[in-house]
Amino acid sequence: NAGVTQTPKFQVLKTGQSMTLQCAQDMNHEYMSWYRQDPGMGLRLIHYSVGAGITDQGEVPNGYNVSRSTTEDFPLRLLSAAPSQTSVYFCASSPTGYHQPQHFGDGTRLSIL
Amino acid sequence: KQEVTQIPAALSVPEGENLVLNCSFTDSAIYNLQWFRQDPGKGLTSLLLIQSSQREQTSGRLNASLDKSSGRSTLYIAASQPGDSATYLCAVRPGTSGSRLTFGEGTQLTVNP
Repeated sequence: NAGVTQTPKFQVLKTGQSMTLQCAQDMNHEYMSWYRQDPGMGLRLIHYSVGAGITDQGEVPNGYNVSRSTTEDFPLRLLSAAPSQTSVYFCASSPTGYHQPQHFGDGTRLSIL
Repeated sequence: KQEVTQIPAALSVPEGENLVLNCSFTDSAIYNLQWFRQDPGKGLTSLLLIQSSQREQTSGRLNASLDKSSGRSTLYIAASQPGDSATYLCAVRPGTSGSRLTFGEGTQLTVNP
C-alpha cells in the first residue's frame, strides 16, 4: 500500500514549457485534489475531483489543467509554465465523505526559470 | 471566506517541555479540523482529525481540542522531544464547500536537546 505517490519529486522548467505532474493513489479514494505551497501563502487549492470524470476549480486554477479518467490517477498539467508557478505541489486524496481525513503525497518541487 | 490563523509562527522550547500550538478560524461552520506535521522538504503527515461534533482527540503525546463556537483549536504536545521539531499545520474543512481544506500557515517548532 503506497498511499499517494507523486512524480517527479523535482523538476526545473523554462518559461513557456509545458509539463504534467503525476499523482496516483492506491487506496480507492474518490476524492483527489492538488495544492500549491508558497512561503507566506500557505497551501492553496488548485483543482479537485470528487470522482472519475468529475473535476472542479479551486482557489488558484489559472494556468493549470486537470483530468480524472480513472479513480487512481489525477494528473496536473501546466500549459505554459511561468516563473509565478515556481512552488511545491502536493496531491491529496480521501474517501468519499466530508468526515474523512485527507492523505498527502510527498510533493513535487518545481522551479520555472 | 474562511480564514485560518496559527500563532505563534515559530516556537523554540527545551526538550521535555509541554507546549500548546494555537489555530483559529473565522467561520465556525466546519465539518472537521485536521492537524498535520510537515518535516523540511517533505509532505504532510496527518496527526489528528477532530469532527465538528467532537471536543478533542488524543494520539500518544498529542491532544487536540476544538471549540467550534469560538473558532479555536489547540494542539497540546506533552514532554516534547527533538524529534518533534517540524512545522505543524492546521486545516479546516468548511461546511459550505466540504470538498476542500483551508490551511493556516503553520507553526515552526524547534525542540532543543
